[in-house]
Amino acid sequence: DIVMTQTPLSSPVTLGQPASISCRSSQSLVHSDGNTYLSWLQQRPGQPPRLLIYKISNRFSGVPDRFSGSGAGTDFTLKISRVEAEDVGVYYCMQATQFPPYTFGQGTKLDIK
Amino acid sequence: EVQLVESGGGLVKPGGSLRLSCAASGFTFTNAWMSWVRQAPGKGLEWVGRIKSKTDGGTTDYAAPVKGRFTISRDDSKNTLYLQMNSLKTEDTATYYCTTFAGRATTRSFDYWGQGTLVTVSS
Repeated sequence: DIVMTQTPLSSPVTLGQPASISCRSSQSLVHSDGNTYLSWLQQRPGQPPRLLIYKISNRFSGVPDRFSGSGAGTDFTLKISRVEAEDVGVYYCMQATQFPPYTFGQGTKLDIK
Repeated sequence: EVQLVESGGGLVKPGGSLRLSCAASGFTFTNAWMSWVRQAPGKGLEWVGRIKSKTDGGTTDYAAPVKGRFTISRDDSKNTLYLQMNSLKTEDTATYYCTTFAGRATTRSFDYWGQGTLVTVSS
């Protein structure tokens, strides 16, 4: 199974400042079809997860453009350009390149300083 | 608007069984691949299993911890997904989410999620 490792596990940030979360996979996430199936999900407190980013850098429907994804191979990053109060929650990376199983990172808790 | 509404959770003794349901609306359920993802209290996300659309074979796949105990099925006439859970263990205690899973042509990810239903396995 591919292991997804996120850093940091906790990130206190100041409102209006940028935030960054890293995700590393134990194997390359480049699929034989040439795509890289790395997603980012957000889980606000008391809510189900929500898809933010797919295929490394594509924002899902309705996701604000302050969220961006980047990376390649085994190293990926989620960036929030200016953190807002509604961004508080836990962020997960997820791979769907090698299946089964689909695997998630441990989660990174983002809160406000 | 896509809606996924899970039901059927509750308290069950170790070794017992439970069936979860997920009522889907707002999209063409017949064409959708569906998954169950669970989250133990205070923990991260764990994929449980998936079922393809019938046009893509309707086959199922499961995570190792639940294989042989859990069964995913679907009733396209009712737009409903099911998760039959047998031989439940205390470590199966979690909130179970029903999700859509889009194919490679689109996101190849868990696009939409239900609110979840809590399953507690305890004596």
